[in-house]
Parts: sequence; C-alpha cells; structure tokens
Amino acid sequence: DAEITQSPRHKITETGRQVTLACHQTWNHNNMFWYRQDLGHGLRLIHYSYGVQDTNKGEVSDGYSVSRSNTEDLPLTLESAASSQTSVYFCASSDPSGGGTDTQYFGPGTRLTVL
Amino acid sequence: QKEVEQDPGPLSVPEGAIVSLNCTYSNSAFQYFMWYRQYSRKGPELLMYTYSSGNKEDGRFTAQVDKSSKYISLFIRDSQPSDSATYLCAMTANQGAQKLVFGQGTRLTINP
Repeated sequence: DAEITQSPRHKITETGRQVTLACHQTWNHNNMFWYRQDLGHGLRLIHYSYGVQDTNKGEVSDGYSVSRSNTEDLPLTLESAASSQTSVYFCASSDPSGGGTDTQYFGPGTRLTVL
Repeated sequence: QKEVEQDPGPLSVPEGAIVSLNCTYSNSAFQYFMWYRQYSRKGPELLMYTYSSGNKEDGRFTAQVDKSSKYISLFIRDSQPSDSATYLCAMTANQGAQKLVFGQGTRLTINP
C-alpha cells in the first residue's frame, strides 16, 4: 500500500547542531508539506513544495530549509537547532490533480527535542 | 489575531452524547473547509470536507459551514469512546492551492 513515512520518529539533539528530518511518500504526489505542532498553536506550515525543484516558505520558515530533488522525498533541515524548535514535526502530501478534495495525507510525525 | 480560532478544550462528555466542535475564521476568501481527526501520537487524518456554506453528513458526523458568520461546526452524534481524539479544523481559499490554515485543535474525550 502507498504510504508516507517519516524518520527518525524521535530525535534528541543539542543546540547549534544541524538536523535533517526525512519524509518519504510512495503515492507519487506532487505536493508535499512540512508542519510543526505545538500546544496552543495547532499545525503551522513551515515549507511546502508543489513539485521537483519547487520549494516555498510557509508561516514559520525561519531556521528551516527544504530541497526537492525527486517526487518522493522532502527532507527538512534545521540549520542550527534552537530550543524553540523543540516540537512535533509532521510531513504531508497531496495530489489535487485527481479532482475533488484537498486531502492532505499525514505521516506519523517526528518528535524533536533540542537541549 | 489568528486567522482561524478554535477552542482547545479539553472537552469531556459521556458516551452517547452529542458533541459540537466549532471554529471561527477571519478570512472571507476561505471556501473549502475540512475537519481532521488526530489520535494520540499519530498524524491527522481527514474526517470531513465541505465546500462553501451548507451541511454535509457522513454517518454519525455532520459538518456545517456558515460563511456569512465565518463559522464552521462539526457535530458527532451517539459519541463513542473511540471518538476520543483531537479534532482540527482546516480551511483554504482555492481548491488545489493546498495551503491549509489549521485551527489549534480541540482535545475531546468520550467517557464510557
């Protein structure tokens, strides 16, 4: 079955380190998204991509970067991790070309702790 | 002020009760409205999708949109313990634009 996976599921790192969170989907969806989820804020969009080589900043993009070299993967990099980036990170994908809903399919999440 | 406001709860009700979850929004351009359900330590999954104003029913779930009031609701009838989860509203202006704006989520517990 097609799916979307994230790795690692849990990560503890230190302030100032570079961290990369992986997201892989097997639906061949063009659109991919990264969100962070914090108490009191719900899901906030970090970066998104509408296709290979396309990336866009979301609401809370400072300190994060993404690159899209193929359809299946959208890794999220924290250039220099800060304690404020301690959060749960969700990757999602969607394909509006099928018509109908704007359904985004979410991965299981990565719980990141920055000490 | 946030673009989408949702009472975070928590909300606790007995099994069998009717549950009402609500969101308000400020952007009149929003036309597509969604409810996602998120179980503990899982990713959100789409529960209901509606376009513009009106009602949509799916089993025990009913979604309502009132664009004139910028207000959306999700009703759960005959609530079950398995409905215990966080419910997030989401909305967007253009189909296919894919940039969803989420509410904070309401944590719901159904007590047996």
